This record gives sequence, structure tokens and C-alpha cells, in this order.
Amino acid sequence: QSVLTQPPSVSGAPGQRVTISCTGSSSNIGAGYDVHWYQQLPGTAPKFFIYANNNRPSGVPDRFSGSKSGTSASLAITGLQAEDEADYYCQSYDSSLSGWVFGGGTKLTVL
Amino acid sequence: QVRLVESGGGVVQPGRSLRLSCAASGFTFSGYAMHWVRQAPGKGLEWVAAISHDESKRYEADSVKGRFTISRDNSKSTLFLQMNSLRREDTAVYYCARVGSSWYNAFDVWGQGTMVTVSA
Repeated sequence: QSVLTQPPSVSGAPGQRVTISCTGSSSNIGAGYDVHWYQQLPGTAPKFFIYANNNRPSGVPDRFSGSKSGTSASLAITGLQAEDEADYYCQSYDSSLSGWVFGGGTKLTVL
Repeated sequence: QVRLVESGGGVVQPGRSLRLSCAASGFTFSGYAMHWVRQAPGKGLEWVAAISHDESKRYEADSVKGRFTISRDNSKSTLFLQMNSLRREDTAVYYCARVGSSWYNAFDVWGQGTMVTVSA
């Protein structure tokens, strides 16, 4: 059971918009700690994807955006493309655990 | 080119020890906090341990506390993870990752990972 809760899977057709939720609590996201997102393509290491809630590193398409509100965060993907198929993980810090925490991961399938 | 390269993984019997290394290049290693993150086969990411840029602070996940020790050698730009009393549930790919100037920054650089299999 992960401290941050994500849906195991989401899917959408090419061109559609999907969102991936990340639900935490008052000791992590709700405490004001930033949420970060990572993309993991099959058989590869995770990739730094969205940082500090809503910022994209260079090279990440602007089709991807992050948001945070209260004890939750979301990753939105518009104009879905086949190459977006991957696992996505949210991550933050938890003050009760005194450690860093990840969501369980969400597998995005492009239909 | 900023790079992290892990090594030291392999097959080890339960109860034995293993030491992982992570060689950094392309950036000033001594200026960054570093982490270990693992991923069991078919599972999600799990944070394992963290160390500050100057080794003054170290943190471990409850699942490895008392068994794993994170350390670093800034003169050699290398991060280590000493793993003792290994258990089957420690079987995973182990990644090292860099963190920016704040503890709460994202893990912005990752290695390719090294596989650890704990099996009799």
C-alpha cells in the first residue's frame, strides 16, 4: 500500500485528454511538500518529468501539465500520442515518515 | 554529460551482504544530495535511502533501517549502499538518483539501475 494513491491504469485514444491523480494526506502533499512526476518507459529507468507540482524540464512536451490542490495532485496529458504509453509515478516527501514517498504508479495505455 | 552509473548488483543468498556503487560524472558530485530508490520486479518505485551532500545527514526507509547504510566518497564522486542481512523481499533493481539544492527537490538524474536478486 503506497502512501500516495494513484489509479493502477488509465487509457485514452490518440488525441484525447487523460488525467492521472495522486492522492496523499496532511503529512505529505497537504503539508505543502512539492509533488514531482516521473515517466518510466518499459525496461528503462524513471525519467524526471514534472517538478515542483507544475514545471516541465526542457524536452518534456507542453502537452503534459501538473497541478496540485489540497492533499492531491494531478498529471494531465492532452493530445495523447502512442509514445506517451508508459508508467507514471508521483512523488513527494512525508513528514510523518521522515522520508520520500512514491505513488504506486499508473500505467497509461493509448488505445 | 551528466551521468550516474550503478554497479555491484548480482545474486546473493539470504542473510548475506552486498555493496552497491554509483559513479557520478558530468557535475560537481559534492554539491548534491543523493538517493537510492528500488523497484521490485513488476512493482512500483520505493525510496530506500538518502544522504546529504556532505554526509552530515542520512535517512533510510523503515524497510531497510538497521540493515542498509548509505555513504559517499566525494573525492571519488561515488555513492554507496551497503546492504547487510539481505532478504528475499530486497530483490529489486536499485537506482541511484540526484536531488537538487533542496531535500524536497525532484530526483532529476537517474542511473540505469543494477539488479539485486536475493535467492538461495
